[in-house]
Amino acid sequence: GAVVSQHPSWVICKSGTSVKIECRSLDFQATTMFWYRQFPKQSLMLMATSNEGSKATYEQGVEKDKFLINHASLTLSTLTVTSAHPEDSSFYICSLWTVQRNEQFFGPGTRLTVL
Amino acid sequence: GQNIDQPTEMTATEGAIVQINCTYQTSGFNGLFWYQQHAGEAPTFLSYNVLDGLEEKGRFSSFLSRSKGYSYLLLKELQMKDSASYLCAVRDDYGGSQGNLIFGKGTKLSVKP
Repeated sequence: GAVVSQHPSWVICKSGTSVKIECRSLDFQATTMFWYRQFPKQSLMLMATSNEGSKATYEQGVEKDKFLINHASLTLSTLTVTSAHPEDSSFYICSLWTVQRNEQFFGPGTRLTVL
Repeated sequence: GQNIDQPTEMTATEGAIVQINCTYQTSGFNGLFWYQQHAGEAPTFLSYNVLDGLEEKGRFSSFLSRSKGYSYLLLKELQMKDSASYLCAVRDDYGGSQGNLIFGKGTKLSVKP
């Protein structure tokens, strides 16, 4: 069964609005979750590392004020795309790594389309 | 710098065997992963190698040579449903709890009847 869930699976919004994406760990306590972005025909690019109870670590070139990450519990991390623009349209995927199984699990992804 | 190379596209015939190569240069190494990704979906885990050698899992096998910075994914008895992108990824830490992966650009495999 699924280890990681994401909601919503897809969203269409107008330019300038904010969109929140939830990522839940179903089977494991995830102290660390990762947020990736994938543009068409490109590979996954890490945006940020989300640590439970502390501030996220952002990759170079990712605006922390635009992509707000909240990891309030061991099973939930949220990514909020603030003031979304068409260039933010992408496939956003969360992931967690489990020490217990030494595996990295991906959520099913969220397709964001900004009009 | 960090660099992971794999072929962009490959084509193979149903029932055949195909090998997808991956070479990497990373500042650290703590395991190499192969993922399968169908269009519009998230990646699914296929294999993990941290020691040199071959890991076999059903129709899929993965090989690693750390000294050469090289891995391959071998798919046997190809099926049409194997048409997908195959992503090579390296974990670039030493036993840290974060487990961040660096991904290659993926190899798009097309299986023909």
